[in-house]
Amino acid sequence: KAGVTQTPRYLIKTRGQQVTLSCSPISGHRSVSWYQQTPGQGLQFLFEYFSETQRNKGNFPGRFSGRQFSNSRSEMNVSTLELGDSALYLCASSLGRGEDTQYFGPGTRLTVL
Amino acid sequence: QKEVEQDPGPLSVPEGAIVSLNCTYSNSAFQYFMWYRQYSRKGPELLMYTYSSGNKEDGRFTAQVDKSSKYISLFIRDSQPSDSATYLCASTGGGNKLTFGTGTQLKVEL
Repeated sequence: KAGVTQTPRYLIKTRGQQVTLSCSPISGHRSVSWYQQTPGQGLQFLFEYFSETQRNKGNFPGRFSGRQFSNSRSEMNVSTLELGDSALYLCASSLGRGEDTQYFGPGTRLTVL
Repeated sequence: QKEVEQDPGPLSVPEGAIVSLNCTYSNSAFQYFMWYRQYSRKGPELLMYTYSSGNKEDGRFTAQVDKSSKYISLFIRDSQPSDSATYLCASTGGGNKLTFGTGTQLKVEL
């Protein structure tokens, strides 16, 4: 079974631009969660999508948004990029039943200049 | 104060040593506890998943949860150089919103 895939793996943007990251979950998984990982703050939950609906949300500004498609693939968008948005963005997929295992993708490394 | 606190290390041990990694948490609603391992430039990989207090063993790994003291531990027996990675503890009260510690960097030396 193929794992979670994320594209692109690396991205360089400049301040003020926007970016879209993509995540394809494991086949059969309906939940996709997004996390931001930085050296200072560690892994922080952004949001979770289940059956095309946002089911849970972390404490990030509205510049961070996401969506999920009918095939469970998910995209995350960051608008008006700031230097502090430089991070590894990870997505994780699970069946979405609640206390089930989340499987992480390799991440997208975003650098904002 | 972070809901999950973890000593960032780095921790360096000789091959074959027993490694003890620890976290504390403050949210009494946390019921599920996980340990993830993350190699450089990779996503986190689930090692152990436990519910409530007690011990769980899987090969060389033992996870321990003490809810009375809000303490989470991971023990690695007979540590190997391939165990060198960052270890992340995580908790949730239910659902997929995980709260992570900042991770402990472990190096197992030959």
